[in-house]
Amino acid sequence: AQRVTQPEKLLSVFKGAPVELKCNYSYSGSPELFWYVQYSRQRLQLLLRHISRESIKGFTADLNKGETSFHLKKPFAQEEDSAMYYCALRGRGSTLGRLYFGRGTQLTVWP
Amino acid sequence: DGGITQSPKYLFRKEGQNVTLSCEQNLNHDAMYWYRQDPGQGLRLIYYSQIVNDFQKGDIAEGYSVSREKKESFPLTVTSAQKNPTAFYLCASSISSRGGYEQYFGPGTRLTVT
Repeated sequence: AQRVTQPEKLLSVFKGAPVELKCNYSYSGSPELFWYVQYSRQRLQLLLRHISRESIKGFTADLNKGETSFHLKKPFAQEEDSAMYYCALRGRGSTLGRLYFGRGTQLTVWP
Repeated sequence: DGGITQSPKYLFRKEGQNVTLSCEQNLNHDAMYWYRQDPGQGLRLIYYSQIVNDFQKGDIAEGYSVSREKKESFPLTVTSAQKNPTAFYLCASSISSRGGYEQYFGPGTRLTVT
């Protein structure tokens, strides 16, 4: 069964410090992994997807199939990074399939 | 800020009443979704529809019903059978293209049942 685990409900760092939001998944195949972000009073929106291998707003995430992880990292956190972050998984082979979301991590970046 | 609209933003109902939440999209997406967002629970899928006149139960469909008569509309009815209906409800639609798969979310409706 598909499962996405975000072990940290809350995470706090100071501005300029590195930040890592953890995501582990369970899936019997090769999934697509995503990070979604929800800033205060804004819609949930896609931050990045592992397929693109891109850096968005300084964030990167590498899919580690051996550890079944997709941790989100940023070397120098900014106050505007404070938000709720969700890791999500989509099974491969489904063209219009659903996403499985983790429970989310609330990141607070202190000045 | 079009794309996906949900109305109303806040909704109040008395216990025992059914209530319908609206979701409209002008993105021409085939698939649409309803999620429930509770603190500490993340997003839980209620129902989804991959095409007009077809829909599937998600993980927490009990006490909810949907219809998909038009591509752009996917209303959710919270029935009196839903034991804990007070929550924040999110609607989404998705596209799968050469650029990849992405779900787009609406602004949400906060339902309070007393």
